[in-house]
Amino acid sequence: AQKITQTQPGMFVQEKEAVTLDCTYDTSDPSYGLFWYKQPSSGEMIFLIYQGSYDQQNATEGRYSLNFQKARKSANLVISASQLGDSAMYFCAMRDNNAGNMLTFGGGTRLMVKP
Amino acid sequence: GAVVSQHPSRVICKSGTSVKIECRSLDFQATTMFWYRQFPKQSLMLMATSNEGSKATYEQGVEKDKFLINHASLTLSTLTVTSAHPEDSSFYICSARGGRGNTEAFFGQGTRLTVV
Repeated sequence: AQKITQTQPGMFVQEKEAVTLDCTYDTSDPSYGLFWYKQPSSGEMIFLIYQGSYDQQNATEGRYSLNFQKARKSANLVISASQLGDSAMYFCAMRDNNAGNMLTFGGGTRLMVKP
Repeated sequence: GAVVSQHPSRVICKSGTSVKIECRSLDFQATTMFWYRQFPKQSLMLMATSNEGSKATYEQGVEKDKFLINHASLTLSTLTVTSAHPEDSSFYICSARGGRGNTEAFFGQGTRLTVV
């Protein structure tokens, strides 16, 4: 069975600083994918970044980077140079490539960027 | 990224009536669509997985007769909440994936259902 854990229910960060959102996962399958989504108050789920279990390098997308530590089963999201518009809920999710490709979500972290 | 359109974005209905929510993939063929439910301040919980042309697979605890899912074409899946009750009030959101090797699941905008 899969499990995704986000241990930080809420976090504050000063504008222009970097912030790390934690995500740990548990799976016995060797093939999986890890996702981060942003959910603003409007409710839409915005895809941020993806990391495959066999990817050798950490994924990066603009100000977003994923600190993938496979042995520790962690996939933390790093947001550099925080902006006020980054305030939102952030969800880590895992897709099991051998189980119907469904996503399992963590509990989420509410990020609040202070001016 | 690919576009998934969900309609309506917000609906209020009377208790006992049925509500249909549509999820469309606008620029790709979605072989699989997923329906999630999200309560306030909680994470997304998968309700069911639907593959085009076949019956949906429901997660444990989800009533298939209450939440009817139809995935009749490669671009459209519908979720019908039948005989809605106030406890069905929630945020419902769909996602769609298309073909092999697709590394992203694209989400619709979500539907906020309020049953009064």
